[in-house]
Amino acid sequence: SAVISQKPSRDICQRGTSLTIQCQVDSQVTMMFWYRQQPGQSLTLIATANQGSEATYESGFVIDKFPISRPNLTFSTLTVSNMSPEDSSIYLCSVERAGGWDEQYFGPGTRLTVT
Amino acid sequence: AQTVTQSQPEMSVQEAETVTLSCTYDTSESDYYLFWYKQPPSRQMILVIRQEAYKQQNATENRFSVNFQKAAKSFSLKISDSQLGDAAMYFCALNSGGSNYKLTFGKGTLLTVNP
Repeated sequence: SAVISQKPSRDICQRGTSLTIQCQVDSQVTMMFWYRQQPGQSLTLIATANQGSEATYESGFVIDKFPISRPNLTFSTLTVSNMSPEDSSIYLCSVERAGGWDEQYFGPGTRLTVT
Repeated sequence: AQTVTQSQPEMSVQEAETVTLSCTYDTSESDYYLFWYKQPPSRQMILVIRQEAYKQQNATENRFSVNFQKAAKSFSLKISDSQLGDAAMYFCALNSGGSNYKLTFGKGTLLTVNP
């Protein structure tokens, strides 16, 4: 399995500001995924990020609010823009299993609180 | 579209006993994968067990096993000899492939292990 790190692990932000979350993998992967987990809820996919192409966003998520970068095969960032208290969540990145699309491994998550 | 339903928001078990967590799903694909993930309070998502839809044999990983009923679209997780460290939120997840290979999660079951 891949080793995935995320920075920051947690943050408290003022409404109206933006936060960029970093996801680093210890091996090259084609697809990286960003999920949101609202308090007490399940995980919801925000977008899929392939290296060298624009991220694919799920219904209800837009690029202006959640811009994503994928500059190489081991790194991605998710920005949460113009934050409101409703954006308070855990944000997780994941990667697909090497050589397969079926299984995903997750980073430790970033706990974001917006005041 | 793919959906995953976990009908048990909370479950409890005595240490050393056995507990079964339920999951039903829906997909129109014939090739898909099912997973159980564990999320302890540390929030790190850990893959517990996986099942390929084309395999009739139920997956087993040490104390964890599944009962996969393809016709009924049911995928339950059995934890034997429960340990205190098994206490966590358990998510059932489905990957049917498709254009972005996304995982769809159930709402989760919070498992408490009583000493």
